[in-house]
Amino acid sequence: DAKTTQPNSMESNEEEPVHLPCNHSTISGTDYIHWYRQLPSQGPEYVIHGLTSNVNNRMASLAIAEDRKSSTLILHRATLRDAAVYYCILRKDWEGAQKLVFGQGTRLTINP
Amino acid sequence: DAGVIQSPRHEVTEMGQEVTLRCKPISGHNSLFWYRQTMMRGLELLIYFNNNVPIDDSGMPEDRFSAKMPNASFSTLKIQPSEPRDSAVYFCATQRAGPHTEAFFGQGTRLTVV
Repeated sequence: DAKTTQPNSMESNEEEPVHLPCNHSTISGTDYIHWYRQLPSQGPEYVIHGLTSNVNNRMASLAIAEDRKSSTLILHRATLRDAAVYYCILRKDWEGAQKLVFGQGTRLTINP
Repeated sequence: DAGVIQSPRHEVTEMGQEVTLRCKPISGHNSLFWYRQTMMRGLELLIYFNNNVPIDDSGMPEDRFSAKMPNASFSTLKIQPSEPRDSAVYFCATQRAGPHTEAFFGQGTRLTVV
């Protein structure tokens, strides 16, 4: 299975944009890029996912490199509630192989 | 929908006792995952069901752990006998079929084995 690499921690200020990087140099053509986050004392929650094109939703944007070997999760205006561990995960597209395998993630700290 | 429901939320048990953790998936979700989370090892996938059938149990640590999904609305994770190193938060997650669907996680069961 292809692996992802993320920085252990990042820090940002409230109301500023945050760019969380993820490297996945061994990604295959059938891998979707998923992002989840885990707030303190809660289970993980879905943030966004994509295959090749950049994606936007109400929570965040996902920018995917043209060669798909890296991606960036963008929080446009961070709030204190965005402090969490963010996980970048590669996921196959066929049924029966869609397990979610979590790495160590990036712990994001937001300063007031 | 009430989301993924796990019970109990907290469990304290003595070493050697049997522990059963329960999960009720969201209605219509046909994939179910059991995870274990510790500070040292992070979030580990233990087992994954599709349409009530175990697809991948390679993460189950040893024979003391077993998981069942007798129907689409219920799953259990059993540890027998329990050991102090099993202390962790155990999460259940469910999703609909397909690569474009998101997984929904329960609130977790915090297990302490003394």
